[in-house]
Amino acid sequence: GQNIDQPTEMTATEGAIVQINCTYQTSGFNGLFWYQQHAGEAPTFLSYNVLDGLEEKGRFSSFLSRSKGYSYLLLKELQMKDSASYLCAVRGGATNKLIFGTGTLLAVQP
Amino acid sequence: DAGVTQSPTHLIKTRGQQVTLRCSPKSGHDTVSWYQQALGQGPQFIFQYYEEEERQRGNFPDRFSGHQFPNYSSELNVNALLLGDSALYLCASRDTGSEQFFGPGTRLTVL
Repeated sequence: GQNIDQPTEMTATEGAIVQINCTYQTSGFNGLFWYQQHAGEAPTFLSYNVLDGLEEKGRFSSFLSRSKGYSYLLLKELQMKDSASYLCAVRGGATNKLIFGTGTLLAVQP
Repeated sequence: DAGVTQSPTHLIKTRGQQVTLRCSPKSGHDTVSWYQQALGQGPQFIFQYYEEEERQRGNFPDRFSGHQFPNYSSELNVNALLLGDSALYLCASRDTGSEQFFGPGTRLTVL
């Protein structure tokens, strides 16, 4: 089967750095995605990792370790608008479909 | 480029009714996936369409069916609606690349 775990909620301060972790167990692996979702809106793509290592994209970075089934999303210089749910999703298994975690609700405080 | 579009935005139905949701993929995309997202949960994969055929299916009953048209647009049909079907229904499209683009979703409420 497939299982994705991430914390339910996190709180951080404006201007700070926050790391959102994601662990996964899948029968196959064809990439890990991070999406941002504001309340009532559709998920928007943030990052994609298929090889081990760090991918940096402006204030956002994502790390992957396939051997550990582990990823994290790093958000730097937090802004109030970063308050949202962050979804970890894995493409894997025989069907290659995208499986989402339940999301981490990040609250950025002044 | 209009991106992924979905209609309607909101829909209210009663138990036992049937509903059809529509999705137009991003220009150049030929693969459409549908997801159900309950409040406070991550999206759950329903099924994926490519070349007008259902290619993959998640753990959803046969009450959930779909269709893809020659212009790559897609429909999601749900029969015999249950209260538990109330959710945000998301459509996502992609081409041969990995990134999926999501539409704004249809909020379905079943009373």
